[in-house]
Order: sequence, then structure tokens, then C-alpha cells
Amino acid sequence: DGGITQSPKYLFRKEGQNVTLSCEQNLNHDAMYWYRQDPGQGLRLIYYSQIVNDFQKGDIAEGYSVSREKKESFPLTVTSAQKNPTAFYLCASSLDRDEKLFFGSGTQLSVL
Amino acid sequence: AQSVSQHNHHVILSEAASLELGCNYSYGGTVNLFWYVQYPGQHLQLLLKYFSGDPLVKGIKGFEAEFIKSKFSFNLRKPSVQWSDTAEYFCAVTAYGNNRLAFGKGNQVVVIP
Repeated sequence: DGGITQSPKYLFRKEGQNVTLSCEQNLNHDAMYWYRQDPGQGLRLIYYSQIVNDFQKGDIAEGYSVSREKKESFPLTVTSAQKNPTAFYLCASSLDRDEKLFFGSGTQLSVL
Repeated sequence: AQSVSQHNHHVILSEAASLELGCNYSYGGTVNLFWYVQYPGQHLQLLLKYFSGDPLVKGIKGFEAEFIKSKFSFNLRKPSVQWSDTAEYFCAVTAYGNNRLAFGKGNQVVVIP
């Protein structure tokens, strides 16, 4: 089945550690996005990529990094510079900017 | 786990018409409710949200939504739409104290000038 796969479902980070969240899609979508969900707030955009080898900062990019070496993959690294990483992270994709978003099932990141 | 149902995936209407998008969720506990909008060429934006208090919530651009607990619904309304309201609208729900956001499949709204 076509869709977006995020892994792991749960992830724990130690102080000063970088962790990487995986996002893979087999929908042949050009655009991919990373959102962060916090209690009491809606989704906030971290990074997005409209095409391979290109990505743009979203509203809250500080402390995060991404890469887009392959069309189907858009991993998100939460670096040690992100001081409040505990959140639910959603990856999404769309055929292009004007198309409907398809979301993954999310990764819950917690700090030990 | 909570789930969200949105009906009438494609909605076409003329300017000045009234809009109402239905959203029903399945979860027996306390919930937080959201409506998101994606305008053509833009990323997803929060339209409005309900956490507690007045069940009639007002959002940006003249939208409002009413939480009816007994009906497990959070319908979105706008009395008079404009061409610029053409967009995809998503309802979403999280269980209280739980970050996991369950989205509906969305409503594609097209407003004809």
C-alpha cells in the first residue's frame, strides 16, 4: 500500500545527543514536510522540501536539520541545540505544493 | 485510539454562500479539537482550535466551529465565503494529554467567483 512510514514510533533522547527520525514515502511525492505537535498548540512547521536536494526552513527550524538526498526519504535530525525536543513529530508529503497533504503516523520523542 | 470523520470530501460553492464542514470524532474522553487549512501553494495552517471553555470557537478569516460533545462533533462554518477560501480543510483531534494528532481525510473546498 502507498503511504508514509515514520520510524521509530517512540524515541528517547539523552542530554546532548543527536537523534534522527525517519520518514519514507512510496507515493512518488515531490514535497515533504516535518511538523511538530506540542500540547496546547497546533502543528508547527519545522522544515519542508519541495524537491530532491532542496529544503527550506519552516517556522521553528532552530535545533533541527534535514536532508533530502532521495525523493522518498526526508529524515529529521533533532540536535543537541534543540533545548525542548519532547514532542510528537509528524512527517507529511504531497505531490506538489498545491496538493493534499498525506501524513505519517508520527514519532513521539521524549528526553530522558 | 481516536479517529476523525469528515464527509463530503469535495465541496463546490459560489461566493457569498454559506459553508459548513462536518467533523465527527470517535473517542470517549476529553479531547482537543482543531481545524487546519491548506491554501493552494501554502503549507498547512491552523484555522482554529478548541481546548475548553466556550464551545463556539472563532478562528481566523471569519471561520468558526462549534463543539457539541453529545454529538462528538466539531463542525466548521463560515456565513459567507470568498474565492480566497478555496482550500483543503482538515479536522483533527487529540485525546487530552496525548500529543497524537488524528486527522480527518480533509474537505476540498472550491469557491467559484
